[in-house]
This record gives sequence, C-alpha cells and structure tokens, in this order.
Amino acid sequence: DQQVKQNSPSLSVQEGRISILNCDYTNSMFDYFLWYKKYPAEGPTFLISISSIKDKNEDGRFTVFLNKSAKHLSLHIVPSQPGDSAVYFCAASAGGGNKLTFGTGTQLKVEL
Amino acid sequence: DTEVTQTPKHLVMGMTNKKSLKCEQHMGHRAMYWYKQKAKKPPELMFVYSYEKLSINESVPSRFSPECPNSSLLNLHLHALQPEDSALYLCASSQELEDTQYFGPGTRLTVL
Repeated sequence: DQQVKQNSPSLSVQEGRISILNCDYTNSMFDYFLWYKKYPAEGPTFLISISSIKDKNEDGRFTVFLNKSAKHLSLHIVPSQPGDSAVYFCAASAGGGNKLTFGTGTQLKVEL
Repeated sequence: DTEVTQTPKHLVMGMTNKKSLKCEQHMGHRAMYWYKQKAKKPPELMFVYSYEKLSINESVPSRFSPECPNSSLLNLHLHALQPEDSALYLCASSQELEDTQYFGPGTRLTVL
C-alpha cells in the first residue's frame, strides 16, 4: 500500500524553465510534508517542508504547494539549473510523528 | 552545520561475517534513525532512537542489531546477513522526534 505516490518517474526540463514535481498521498492523517533531493550514491538532502496549516512555502528557487482537499503537493523549481538534476523524493509524516513515508521518487533532468 | 557522517562508505561481507555500520552527528540532535534503500525504491525506516532509547523497530529481522552508545553515535551491527540485504543503509538525525530529518551519505552494503 503506497501511501505517498509520485506518478512521474522522470521529468526533463530545459535550463531556466520551471520544474514542477508532483506528489499525491492517501493518508489523511499526514500533516507534515518534505521534499528531499538525492544524487546517486549519496543520502537524501533536505530541501523544503510544509505543514498542513499552510498551503505554500517558499525558499529561494524552491516553492512547495499543498492542496489538502486534493491530497496533493507539488515542488516548483524556478529557474531550473543543471545542478538540480537529481532524484526528488516527497515524504510525509503524521501527528508530529517521526516516521517518514517516502514516495517513489522522480528523476529530474535539467538540460542545457 | 547539518552534517551526518557514516562509515564505511562501502562494505562487502559474506553471509557468515559480523560487521558494523557507524553513524555520527554533532548537531546535538536527540533522535537518530536507520533506513534501508534498495535500488530505485524509496528509503524504508528500520529503527528510531530517541534520547538513546529505541523508540521504533519496524519489524526488522534480528540479524540487524542497532545500538546507540551515546547521543552522537548510532551503530548498526550486522550478522548472518542474506544477499537480499544488499542495499544502501542511510542514517538520519533530527533535533527531536517530530523535527526535520537530516541524512548521512549512506553505506553501500553488498552481501555475497
């Protein structure tokens, strides 16, 4: 039972354009969401998070949007840079809990 | 400084060997985690420690034995592993249980 889903296994974007990565969840108890970036043979790097009391959080080039009614969140990267090429995981937790449930990841490729 | 270090980077072991993975953080975090990640899959939680006490064991086989000797160190002792245990083992830490988790680079384990 995959409670956090990233339906696009890969995404290709041109440098300078916007990258939009999507994530859907099924567990209505999830109230804290995170995005991690992962390069091959490295651990995930925390990017940005959002609490369920908000619908948007922004940090530099990264913005996360949360639509609770649709159980959907998205990560926008603008402008996209070649160094952004990596696998992006969304993750969720419930009730201030410590158990992160990860999505399956989206491989982003930013082309010159 | 959000650095979590893990040693060794790579480990190859036979099914009869005993080995240990080590994780260290000096951020004063009181919660530490072990995850397992197979190729093209999301990280899966194995163990959670909070204030040096085991908080969560996600029904992990006893051939994996965690240990938290102090608040900065987390070990994972391995014994009689199977080839299917080959994976990237990730350590993470957070200030408290409900806070953002920061990951180490992982140990790539191969069981022959």
